[in-house]
Amino acid sequence: DIQMTQSPSSLSASVGDRVTITCRASQSINNYLNWYQQKPGKAPKLLISGASSLQSGVPSRFSGSGSGTEFTLTISSLQPEDFATYYCQQRFSTPPTFGQGAKVEIK
Amino acid sequence: EVQLVESGGGLVQPGGSLRLSCAASGFSFSSCAMSWVRQAPGKGLEWVSLISGSSGNTYYIDSVKGRFTISRDNSKSTVYLQMNSLGADDTAVYYCAKDRSDFGDFDVDSWGQGTLVTVSS
Repeated sequence: DIQMTQSPSSLSASVGDRVTITCRASQSINNYLNWYQQKPGKAPKLLISGASSLQSGVPSRFSGSGSGTEFTLTISSLQPEDFATYYCQQRFSTPPTFGQGAKVEIK
Repeated sequence: EVQLVESGGGLVQPGGSLRLSCAASGFSFSSCAMSWVRQAPGKGLEWVSLISGSSGNTYYIDSVKGRFTISRDNSKSTVYLQMNSLGADDTAVYYCAKDRSDFGDFDVDSWGQGTLVTVSS
């Protein structure tokens, strides 16, 4: 199975900060990488697919980059509604696997 | 607007069974693969099963093979997950999720609100 490792697992940041979350795959997954946002008690929401394609309706302050084994999710200016847990997911091979999550908390 | 509404969760004893349902609307159901993804309390996400849109091909993670069965009724726009021989490790919120494609490549763009399954005596 392909292991997905996110770093950091949690971070504290202030409104307006630039935030970067990294996701590393245990082997190359090309760009078969999605990013999801999950708020407490809610379902995940797709933010980015194909490593860098922003989903319709997702604010442009979110961006994704990377290919192969290393990927990043960047929030250019953190907003109050962005405090949540973020998951990466690979769909290059079965079983599809998620990272352990990165919790973004208020500083 | 895509809507996915799960039902059927609840408290079940170890070794028991449950059948989850997910009613879908707002898209061409038969053209999309559907999945079940679960999340144990306080834990991360785990893909459980997928069924393709038209061919009915299925996928299961190893830990549920032989115990869980995914099926769909395209005439009712509903996907099911029959869960047998449940154990404590199956305790989780189960999410229904819509794939972008018919054949299903684990590329989910919409999720239901989830239904909680608790396995306990």
